[in-house]
Amino acid sequence: QSVLTQPPSVSAAPGQKVTISCSGSSSNIGNNYVSWYQQLPGTAPKLLIYENNKRPSGIPDRFSGSKSGTSATLGITGLQTGDEADYYCGTWDSSLGVFGGGTKLTVL
Amino acid sequence: QVQLQESGPGLVKPSETLSLTCTVSGGSISSYYWSWIRQPPGKGLEWIGYISYSGITNYNPSLKSRVTISVDTSKNQFSLKLSSVTAADTAVYYCATLIPFDSSGYYWLGAFDIWGQGTMVTVSS
Repeated sequence: QSVLTQPPSVSAAPGQKVTISCSGSSSNIGNNYVSWYQQLPGTAPKLLIYENNKRPSGIPDRFSGSKSGTSATLGITGLQTGDEADYYCGTWDSSLGVFGGGTKLTVL
Repeated sequence: QVQLQESGPGLVKPSETLSLTCTVSGGSISSYYWSWIRQPPGKGLEWIGYISYSGITNYNPSLKSRVTISVDTSKNQFSLKLSSVTAADTAVYYCATLIPFDSSGYYWLGAFDIWGQGTMVTVSS
C-alpha cells in the first residue's frame, strides 16, 4: 500500500480536461514539495511537474500542478491520445522518497 | 544534456548480490545528486536511495540493511548493490538524477529529473 493515495484510473474524451488527485499527510505532502511523473507504456517515467506547480523545459502548459494542505492535483487540459499513460505523484516523508500508487489515464 | 544508461546482469540468483551501474554522459557526476528507483512488473515506483555529490547517502529504510550506492568519479558512473536478493526484488531498476534543493537553495525539493531507460532484473534460480 502506497503512502500517497491516487485513484487507480481516470478517463476523459480527447480535448477535455482531467484532474488526478494525490492525497497524503502532514508528514509528506503537507511539508514537502510534490512532483508528478508521466510514464508512457513501456518507457521510463518523465518529470512533468516539480515544486508543486513548475514545469520543466519542454513540458506543455496543458499540464499543471497544484497543492493544498495535504493533497496535490495534476491537471491536464486539451487531452490527446498521446497523453494515455500512468501518472505518479511523488514527495518526501521524513527523508524517505515516496510515490503514489499511480493513476492510469485513458483517453476515450 | 545529461543522459543515463543502466547496465548489469538481467538475471540474479536468490541470496546473491544484485549489482547495477549507471553511466552518466553529458555532465559531470560530481555536480548532481544520483538516485535509484525500481518498479516491480505491473506495479508502482519504489525509491531505493540516493547519493549526493559529496558522497552522503540516504536509503529506503525497508532496504537499508541490503543496499549500497556508490560513485566512481573516474568513470563518471554510480552503482547500486543489493544483497541477499529474493524474488521480491525482481523489478525494472532505474537510475535518475535528483534535484536536491529548490531555487532558494534552502528547502529540499527532491524531484527526479532525468531517468535512464531502465533495466529489468529477474531474481530466479
